[in-house]
Amino acid sequence: AQTVTQSQPEMSVQEAETVTLSCTYDTSESDYYLFWYKQPPSRQMILVIRQEAYKQQNATENRFSVNFQKAAKSFSLKISDSQLGDAAMYFCAYRVSQGGSEKLVFGKGTKLTVNP
Amino acid sequence: EPEVTQTPSHQVTQMGQEVILRCVPISNHLYFYWYRQILGQKVEFLVSFYNNEISEKSEIFDDQFSVERPDGSNFTLKIRSTKLEDSAMYFCASSVTRSANTDTQYFGPGTRLTVL
Repeated sequence: AQTVTQSQPEMSVQEAETVTLSCTYDTSESDYYLFWYKQPPSRQMILVIRQEAYKQQNATENRFSVNFQKAAKSFSLKISDSQLGDAAMYFCAYRVSQGGSEKLVFGKGTKLTVNP
Repeated sequence: EPEVTQTPSHQVTQMGQEVILRCVPISNHLYFYWYRQILGQKVEFLVSFYNNEISEKSEIFDDQFSVERPDGSNFTLKIRSTKLEDSAMYFCASSVTRSANTDTQYFGPGTRLTVL
């Protein structure tokens, strides 16, 4: 069974600094997708970034980038120039590729605090 | 931007009672999902639904649970006889397609269910 582990229940960062959130996963599949979702307080989860496992290039979305290490089954999220609005729960998630299960498998989440 | 909405935001019920959690997916979406998160634990997949049928369900989704799309806009999760362990945050999600490489599951803000 696939599992996703986020080893940092809480992280904090100073505004304008960089922070990295860790995620590891376990799967026997070779083709899959990884996601980072952000959930601000009392708001819905929104997709931050997606990575296809067959792509070696790390995904980036503005200030958000990932470090995808397929052999190590590691998928960390880097937030550069942190802003107060980045404060949220961050969930790492996995799903198999097209044709397989539709479900997302989530980690427990990391609560990010941004200090002014 | 269109959003998934859920009602109520908080539901309190007595053990053994039936509850219905309601969701309005994004209007052009075709795939619908329910997830839950017990306090302190991971977000877990319950069920996916397409074309008026369950397309996938987890082992959590037993005979006490059912889903329905009663009209063109609502998607409901019914728990027939609630147990204490059903207390959790329930998230609805929807997507245009089920393809992981092009699509995103959009999440609602959740309904917090408390079973007393």
